[in-house]
Amino acid sequence: EAQVTQNPRYLITVTGKKLTVTCSQNMNHEYMSWYRQDPGLGLRQIYYSMNVEVTDKGDVPEGYKVSRKEKRNFPLILESPSPNQTSLYFCASSFLVVGGYNSPLHFGNGTRLTVT
Amino acid sequence: DQQVKQNSPSLSVQEGRISILNCDYTNSMFDYFLWYKKYPAEGPTFLISISSIKDKNEDGRFTVFLNKSAKHLSLHIVPSQPGDSAVYFCAASILSRAAGNKLTFGGGTRVLVKP
Repeated sequence: EAQVTQNPRYLITVTGKKLTVTCSQNMNHEYMSWYRQDPGLGLRQIYYSMNVEVTDKGDVPEGYKVSRKEKRNFPLILESPSPNQTSLYFCASSFLVVGGYNSPLHFGNGTRLTVT
Repeated sequence: DQQVKQNSPSLSVQEGRISILNCDYTNSMFDYFLWYKKYPAEGPTFLISISSIKDKNEDGRFTVFLNKSAKHLSLHIVPSQPGDSAVYFCAASILSRAAGNKLTFGGGTRVLVKP
């Protein structure tokens, strides 16, 4: 089954304790991205990757790191989490261009992170 | 400042009637628009899209209308069904290799379809 898999689904941690949220896709997509969802703000892009070893900042990158060492994996790293990073996080992937249009993003089921 | 806005946070409609969801954007560079549907505890799933060269796109019960001069798009669901109860996100993008596949999302509209 074609899917984007995120782990863990729920995570409670304390300020300053490094954590990693994993993301893996099995659709051979070049493009992968992380978003956070906050009430009333919709989803905002944190980081994205156009291909292996190519990553770049989105709209809200502060406090986050990513890496893309393999095509299928795109982990999100919080080196020193703070309470304002409490949010619902989504990983997404897609092909870049299909028939002249960007193919729709496929999203994982989300990771609910609470930082106390 | 939010470039994509959905001014109605919620909408309640009777089963069988039409649901109309609205979305406004400010960035005139956006040229591709999408609607996503999200159920609780799941990720958003793609519903329908429209390019800026069109003003209407239809897929079954779902129709998206685009008014470029007003920078406004809407999603019509006819007839509405209880399974349509979800949060709907409007999203916009710029079709260019440099922009990748970045989507700018609105805040979402929660739709409740009453049986």
